[in-house]
Amino acid sequence: DADVTQTPRNRITKTGKRIMLECSQTKGHDRMYWYRQDPGLGLRLIYYSFDVKDINKGEISDGYSVSRQAQAKFSLSLESAIPNQTALYFCATSGIGRSPNEQFFGPGTRLTVL
Amino acid sequence: GDSVTQMEGPVTLSEEAFLTINCTYTATGYPSLFWYVQYPGEGLQLLLKATKADDKGSNKGFEATYRKETTSFHLEKGSVQVSDSAVYFCALSRQAGTALIFGKGTTLSVSS
Repeated sequence: DADVTQTPRNRITKTGKRIMLECSQTKGHDRMYWYRQDPGLGLRLIYYSFDVKDINKGEISDGYSVSRQAQAKFSLSLESAIPNQTALYFCATSGIGRSPNEQFFGPGTRLTVL
Repeated sequence: GDSVTQMEGPVTLSEEAFLTINCTYTATGYPSLFWYVQYPGEGLQLLLKATKADDKGSNKGFEATYRKETTSFHLEKGSVQVSDSAVYFCALSRQAGTALIFGKGTTLSVSS
């Protein structure tokens, strides 16, 4: 079983709709991240959380919100989706310990906003 | 601010050719450096890393050396295979556990 899972894997929605992307992990990591990937732009950080009570904005947080429901779950919401939020979204985790900088990525959610 | 610049692709090679993908960074202090690989339809996987100057990361025949004097972390492989076709991302992290800063990615296509 995958250590970091994302649901859904693909989603098509319309402008103005509220969308939630979910991420779960079984690695026991405290730290979780949401990135978006756009062609030619690499990955950019949306939000990150170092524990359940800690939420931080990343480089491109406008138009997004997050919820850390438990250590293992970190959800990303688009309050009112717009077409330029069409992208591939990745969740990642990292833990304190031997390799604290290493991040483990989920398989991604491909979101299309029409 | 911190940034990572890597060579633009796509890079197209024949099997068994030598690969270099250039990566330079801008950051204060001593960041950790990473190469991630993304195979088609999949998420990112850590390929190799280096946490201090002159460290060499290596994995699956790929190597990269942390060069503080040139702020570089170039990825190399002596003989590529078709299965190496993927997108490669260079990234840095300034502090343990903080978010990664990625380059834009380089697409590698290897033909037999």
